[in-house]
Amino acid sequence: DAGVIQSPRHEVTEMGQEVTLRCKPISGHDYLFWYRQTMMRGLELLIYFNNNVPIDDSGMPEDRFSAKMPNASFSTLKIQPSEPRDSAVYFCASSRNSYRSYEQYFGPGTRLTVT
Amino acid sequence: GENVEQHPSTLSVQEGDSAVIKCTYSDSASNYFPWYKQELGKGPQLIIDIRSNVGEKKDQRIAVTLNKTAKHFSLHITETQPEDSAVYFCAASLSRGGFKTIFGAGTRLFVKA
Repeated sequence: DAGVIQSPRHEVTEMGQEVTLRCKPISGHDYLFWYRQTMMRGLELLIYFNNNVPIDDSGMPEDRFSAKMPNASFSTLKIQPSEPRDSAVYFCASSRNSYRSYEQYFGPGTRLTVT
Repeated sequence: GENVEQHPSTLSVQEGDSAVIKCTYSDSASNYFPWYKQELGKGPQLIIDIRSNVGEKKDQRIAVTLNKTAKHFSLHITETQPEDSAVYFCAASLSRGGFKTIFGAGTRLFVKA
């Protein structure tokens, strides 16, 4: 399997622009997570889905952030409008609901820079 | 909600020595405690995990201990090697009704050759 795929790997945009980050989870995984990583705040859970349904979005910082999962193989995280404080590395992770393992498989991340 | 504290934030050891990273959690309902290793430019990767019904687990040079009463868990790496240098994260999760996982702030481990 190719693992979790994220695109783009790097994104540089100007303040006020819309940013869309994309994720393809591992086939057969029914949980999908979006995290944000910064030096100041560490690794923060933003939102997670189970079977394409958002379960907990309490970590989404503001209404400027939204996430969708239209099908089992694709999810997006959108920031509109973007601000410099949104600069971070955004990770997508997926997991299979199994008693044997709760391991989350992380993608390589998208490094977002908002100028 | 759950809060996970991790210490130390930075740890430097000589090759061959042991390294210990400690975490505490606040939600007594948490029942799953994974440890992830993150190398530069990559996403975190699971290295070992432990469930609340187990007190200790070992995998080669890595071991994790859990004290449910004190809400402490620790990662022990023996015979450290330069390739162990990375950032290590502990986490706590409630596996029932979902997988909300809260991560510690991370420990940057340097293993000096």
